[in-house]
Amino acid sequence: DAKTTQPPSMDCAEGRAANLPCNHSTISGNEYVYWYRQIHSQGPQYIIHGLKNNETNEMASLIITEDRKSSTLILPHATLRDTAVYYCIAGRGGNTPLVFGKGTRLSVIA
Amino acid sequence: DTAVSQTPKYLVTQMGNDKSIKCEQNLGHDTMYWYKQDSKKFLKIMFSYNNKELIINETVPNRFSPKSPDKAHLNLHINSLELGDSAVYFCASSPARTSGGGLPGEQFFGPGTRLTVL
Repeated sequence: DAKTTQPPSMDCAEGRAANLPCNHSTISGNEYVYWYRQIHSQGPQYIIHGLKNNETNEMASLIITEDRKSSTLILPHATLRDTAVYYCIAGRGGNTPLVFGKGTRLSVIA
Repeated sequence: DTAVSQTPKYLVTQMGNDKSIKCEQNLGHDTMYWYKQDSKKFLKIMFSYNNKELIINETVPNRFSPKSPDKAHLNLHINSLELGDSAVYFCASSPARTSGGGLPGEQFFGPGTRLTVL
């Protein structure tokens, strides 16, 4: 699985958009980009995934560059409850285990 | 109606003991996993089972033995517990690939079991 690189931490003001970047320059053509988050000691929670196209769901939007070497997770209106560690993972999906990196610790500030 | 459940939530035990952690999923998924999150918060895969069969064992000591009595359960038995086994253990499940191999398969995680070995 391709390795991903994320900033270790970020801050975001409550109510503003949180933009979390991820580099995955070695991603292969059949690997998806997944985003998960882990809120203080809870189990990781799936947020969104994409292959080539930008994706949006009720939680977030995922913007993938045309060359697929990087992506950005957007939380449009961050709340205090979005404070968590966010993991960007490149993987083949299906029954392939996830390879977690260090993630980005997002702190949403009131 | 919890999707992936684990018991117990907390487990405190002495070195050398044998303990088990249970995991159940009611999502009808074919694949289940055990992950370990150590004190530095790194989350790593330990095992993966598909339809009760072991498909991945990531260089985990033989003291760790997963057991899958049926597709909905994946239990983790640990023999001769050591201090270094202290961690949070997460169970997860995901649907299998489609016949075309294209299903991304998000994983659903349980709440975790915090194991402390004294």
